[in-house]
Amino acid sequence: QEQLVESGGGVVQPGRSLRLSCAASGFTLDSYNMNWVRQAPGKGLEWVALISYDGRNKHYGDSVKGRFTISRDVSKNTLYLQMNSLRTDDTAVYYCARIFGGYTIDSWGQGTLVTVSS
Amino acid sequence: QSALTQPRSVSGSPGQSVTISCTGSSSDVGAYKYVSWYQHLPGKAPKLKIYDVTKRPSGVPDRFSGSKSGNTASLTISGLQAEDEADYFCCSFAGSYTWVFGGGTKVTVL
Repeated sequence: QEQLVESGGGVVQPGRSLRLSCAASGFTLDSYNMNWVRQAPGKGLEWVALISYDGRNKHYGDSVKGRFTISRDVSKNTLYLQMNSLRTDDTAVYYCARIFGGYTIDSWGQGTLVTVSS
Repeated sequence: QSALTQPRSVSGSPGQSVTISCTGSSSDVGAYKYVSWYQHLPGKAPKLKIYDVTKRPSGVPDRFSGSKSGNTASLTISGLQAEDEADYFCCSFAGSYTWVFGGGTKVTVL
């Protein structure tokens, strides 16, 4: 049974950086495209970033482009999200999610909360 | 606001059916057959209930069904059970490696 466990969330000041991790088990990251998705308080979900199964292709939402970087370590079977120049509107629960068949998110983690506040 | 529009809440008695709508645009729901639905309990990982508009993953009871007409997709839960009480949200592939989501609908079993 596949499982995704996020970690690394916390409280950070505006302008600072934070790195989120997502440990995968039950499958290998080099077989699936992976997403980061976030949900701000009281708001709907927002797609953040994607990394392809081979790590060659990365795509980002407009609101994080140039500030966030998605990456992975296949040896650790762990997905990462490096978040720089954080803003208060980046406050959200961040989920990692597996993509099945190229188009369907079929597995999610339980999320990790990032709070950007002075 | 979310890219896809869902009602904030629906409710029904045990055994009844409820339907949740998910309205998008011709760039997402209307353009692709890749609409999925998830059940989400607070603090838990969302669970896939429907994908590719109408398909059920293994283990999901056939009480859950999906459909789509134009820019609106729908999730129907038949034979409502107490365990179905949760938040449900929709998701659509939107092209160019992007996805959009609904704001979520709280299903209450009366």
